[in-house]
Amino acid sequence: DVKVTQSSRYLVKRTGEKVFLECVQDMDHENMFWYRQDPGLGLRLIYFSYDVKMKEKGDIPEGYSVSREKKERFSLILESASTNQTSMYLCASSLSLGSSGNTIYFGEGSWLTVV
Amino acid sequence: SQKIEQNSEALNIQEGKTATLTCNYTNYSPAYLQWYRQDPGRGPVFLLLIRENEKEKRKERLKVTFDTTLKQSLFHITASQPADSATYLCALRDYKLSFGAGTTVTVRA
Repeated sequence: DVKVTQSSRYLVKRTGEKVFLECVQDMDHENMFWYRQDPGLGLRLIYFSYDVKMKEKGDIPEGYSVSREKKERFSLILESASTNQTSMYLCASSLSLGSSGNTIYFGEGSWLTVV
Repeated sequence: SQKIEQNSEALNIQEGKTATLTCNYTNYSPAYLQWYRQDPGRGPVFLLLIRENEKEKRKERLKVTFDTTLKQSLFHITASQPADSATYLCALRDYKLSFGAGTTVTVRA
């Protein structure tokens, strides 16, 4: 079974802190994604990466950056956390998102509270 | 602008009945559409995929239809059970995968 592991399940950080959310997948997937999920807004794509050291902005990249130094690891960085970044963050991975329609596999989520 | 809308945020049904969920989209030309299930506090899990040239797909008690003319997908859970209670998300692949906000289904025993 594909496993996507997010390093922290629950975090509480202070406004202005730099926050790292780590994600590792064990299936040699090319694509990795970071979403945030908020009530009534669904999943919104922050960034995605289709290869090592490659990244693309999603719908809401402001205030975030990412790092993909190794194929299996994709990190989300909040440079200076703010209260409006309190949310559940979901990491995901997949094979190529071609017309064959590969499944996206999600991690269990990281609940971040910024106080 | 692109939009994915799922019908009412919550659906309450009696055990044994059929739940029907709707996913409507605008300004997309998706190659395929997927449905995911999400339990509280967990990440979404893939259920079904239907391609643009397919009208219907089934998996056990689940049935999905896809009408590219109406820009709509219907997701049916037949003979529903309390264990089917969850939030169901539709997702469209354009150049990336975009999700609707989800519909929460509660099945009463």
